[in-house]
Amino acid sequence: QLQLQQSGPGLVKPSQTLSLTCAISGDSVSDNTAAWNWIRKSPSRGLEWLGRTYFRSTWYHDYAVSVKGRITINPDTTKNQFSLQLNSATPEDTALYYCARGANGFDVWGRGTMVIVSS
Amino acid sequence: QSVLTQPPSASATPGQKVTISCSTSGADIGNDLVYWYRQVPGSAPQLLIYKNNQRPAGVPDRFSGSKSDTSASLAISGLRSDDEAEYFCAGWDDRVTGWVFGGGTKLTVL
Repeated sequence: QLQLQQSGPGLVKPSQTLSLTCAISGDSVSDNTAAWNWIRKSPSRGLEWLGRTYFRSTWYHDYAVSVKGRITINPDTTKNQFSLQLNSATPEDTALYYCARGANGFDVWGRGTMVIVSS
Repeated sequence: QSVLTQPPSASATPGQKVTISCSTSGADIGNDLVYWYRQVPGSAPQLLIYKNNQRPAGVPDRFSGSKSDTSASLAISGLRSDDEAEYFCAGWDDRVTGWVFGGGTKLTVL
């Protein structure tokens, strides 16, 4: 059964980097039929897709316009996981962050990590 | 403001049918495909409908989806108290090359 296990700090200082990891069990990050996504939810912005990584003979990445330039999503094939890095965090990045598999919709989600950006 | 437009709230009584709309006119939805999710407070969203009208395994046939032009709908029949949740539509927007969501509709079962 596919499960996504999220980890990472729940508190980040402004201007620092927000980093989260999503460990995959029951599938492979290199699965060439899936994409691995980060999505966040906040009262001000609702559900917001941040980006994805996926493998189709080579690795691809797509990022939301709202965070492009600050975001990196990387696969780690040795640990079968993928990560999110969001640089120059601001209080506007305070949100509940989810990782999710994309395969005919976001069919499996992590449980979510609440991240607060505050000094 | 969300790219996909949903009514903020809906309500109905147990046993009734409720329909939640999603306007996609603010986006260029790739392949005209819309997806629906349900989120109960404290839990991650759950996929209810994919590719406009397909149900994942385990989703009851009380849930159905449809799409016509720039409007998609989620219908829930035989409403139950545990259907009370927030419902979101989503789609791939070719204009921004990314996924976009509706603002969500909070369903109250009276």
